[in-house]
Amino acid sequence: GENVEQHPSTLSVQEGDSAVIKCTYSDSASNYFPWYKQELGKRPQLIIDIRSNVGEKKDQRIAVTLNKTAKHFSLHITETQPEDSAVYFCAASFSGGYQKVTFGTGTKLQVIP
Amino acid sequence: DTGVSQDPRHKITKRGQNVTFRCDPISEHNRLYWYRQTLGQGPEFLTYFQNEAQLEKSRLLSDRFSAERPKGSFSTLEIQRTEQGDSAMYLCASSRAGLVKNEQFFGPGTRLTVL
Repeated sequence: GENVEQHPSTLSVQEGDSAVIKCTYSDSASNYFPWYKQELGKRPQLIIDIRSNVGEKKDQRIAVTLNKTAKHFSLHITETQPEDSAVYFCAASFSGGYQKVTFGTGTKLQVIP
Repeated sequence: DTGVSQDPRHKITKRGQNVTFRCDPISEHNRLYWYRQTLGQGPEFLTYFQNEAQLEKSRLLSDRFSAERPKGSFSTLEIQRTEQGDSAMYLCASSRAGLVKNEQFFGPGTRLTVL
């Protein structure tokens, strides 16, 4: 089955700096890669996603890159703000079939004001 | 509220007792997923329904766990003879088949504590 590894497990940045979270996946059939943000005590929420036919996608301060050959993808947050503090999960899925999602272990991001 | 809802939000039980959780997905979503999340980990897939059919169960789901979605709408997850290792957050998510993007919408979760 699919295995998703995520690094780092914790990340502290100064407000205004950039944050980068990296993930690798094992199943070359995976073709959909969502990123979820989970604030303390709340449910995971989708913040951005990318499909395997695209190398990069950007949404305001958030961007995701995908390298299919190397089977890794990354989340980039620029101009970080205190409200970006949360746990971020990467995930991998195959959009055929029923699209079971395999999650990484999460990165706890702390933005220091 | 048109999002995914779960009930109860918290459950404390003694070891050996049975517990049942309920999930109400977004009304037009025909896919429903159960996940388990422990502290410091990502959600782990437990089982999946498309309409009323349970199409896959994780090996994490021992025979003490059973899930149903009798009419293809709400779902229940039952844990029999609970063990302390069952303590976790149980998350339900739903999505709609046929879309290119499989965005899963999560419920708030049921936090189970087994004493």
